[in-house]
Amino acid sequence: DTAVSQTPKYLVTQMGNDKSIKCEQNLGHDTMYWYKQDSKKFLKIMFSYNNKELIINETVPNRFSPKSPDKAHLNLHINSLELGDSAVYFCASSQVIGSGETQYFGPGTRLLVL
Amino acid sequence: QKEVEQDPGPLSVPEGAIVSLNCTYSNSAFQYFMWYRQYSRKGPELLMYTYSSGNKEDGRFTAQVDKSSKYISLFIRDSQPSDSATYLCAMTGTGRRALTFGSGTRLQVQP
Repeated sequence: DTAVSQTPKYLVTQMGNDKSIKCEQNLGHDTMYWYKQDSKKFLKIMFSYNNKELIINETVPNRFSPKSPDKAHLNLHINSLELGDSAVYFCASSQVIGSGETQYFGPGTRLLVL
Repeated sequence: QKEVEQDPGPLSVPEGAIVSLNCTYSNSAFQYFMWYRQYSRKGPELLMYTYSSGNKEDGRFTAQVDKSSKYISLFIRDSQPSDSATYLCAMTGTGRRALTFGSGTRLQVQP
């Protein structure tokens, strides 16, 4: 069984388009995250939700809007895509907020903006 | 300066070698330390988890944390070609809500 799943795996689109990435976890975790991994493999937190409430919102352009319809799902919508948005986006989930929890990652969504 | 520094490699070793991977960090609030393994085109996979200073062993893997030096290590004994991947250190502290990652070290184990 897949613990954290993301769709789509690959996304190729034109500049200026709007796209969404979906994430689902079946681990029963309370907290979910979006990370961005650039071409140099550096993983950086973007957002985090705990029980559908936004708890982390790093310095991310407001073209990026997360939405959590329930605690098992966290989607990422991106408006007006730019070339610099090309990266791999990882969803993750964990059980406890803050100290001590470990995070489990999805397989990633490779976004290429042309 | 990044909060977590990690040599990007690549690190190439022969099969059977002992591998040492390291990270340094600057934030003394970090107390929880993790190592993730990431195969090409896959998501990071949790390998080891350590709280505060000390050692932890799991099979061929040993994680060490030296909080006084702000230095963590992952040792891989009897390395195998299947260990070839990027290894990411990650850490967080009490009250922090997200992991801070190193940039990853690419390891290649030659058969």
